[in-house]
Amino acid sequence: DGGITQSPKYLFRKEGQNVTLSCEQNLNHDAMYWYRQDPGQGLRLIYYSQIVNDFQKGDIAEGYSVSREKKESFPLTVTSAQKNPTAFYLCASRPGTGTSGLFFGEGSRLTVL
Amino acid sequence: SQQGEEDPQALSIQEGENATMNCSYKTSINNLQWYRQNSGRGLVHLILIRSNEREKHSGRLRVTLDTSKKSSSLLITASRAADTASYFCATEGNSGNTPLVFGKGTRLSVIA
Repeated sequence: DGGITQSPKYLFRKEGQNVTLSCEQNLNHDAMYWYRQDPGQGLRLIYYSQIVNDFQKGDIAEGYSVSREKKESFPLTVTSAQKNPTAFYLCASRPGTGTSGLFFGEGSRLTVL
Repeated sequence: SQQGEEDPQALSIQEGENATMNCSYKTSINNLQWYRQNSGRGLVHLILIRSNEREKHSGRLRVTLDTSKKSSSLLITASRAADTASYFCATEGNSGNTPLVFGKGTRLSVIA
């Protein structure tokens, strides 16, 4: 079945460590997105990519990095420069053209110990 | 930047009642979308309404859009306990394929 897969679902990190969250989709979508969600809050955009080998910063890109080497994959690295990384991270995708909704993964919950 | 703002923040109703959630936004949009999120899960797209549309239906869902007031409403009719979730509106700007901007959501509890 087509879909978008995030891993790991839960991740614990010590302060000062970088971690990478995986996002893979087999929907043949051009555009992919990373959002951060804090408790009781909406989603805030971290990074997005509309085509392979290209990506743009969102509203809260500081302390994060991404790559888009393959159409199917859009990994997010949470670096030690991110001061408050504990959050729920959501990856989404949609076709590159036309107007459509986002398809979301099930999320990755990162906790910094 | 969060564009949409949902109202109320939380809503509790009895099964069988209708639930209405509102969303206000600030700038011109290409379309507005509603999403549902069960606790600890990803979001699910419910419905999209374009800026030139005023009302749209999908099953028990009815969405209205008033661009003059920069507001939208989501009505869930004959609610069920399984409708318990958070509901978010998201707006897409006019500049073609811009990322969606989400509001903070309404937490709906449907009591059986």
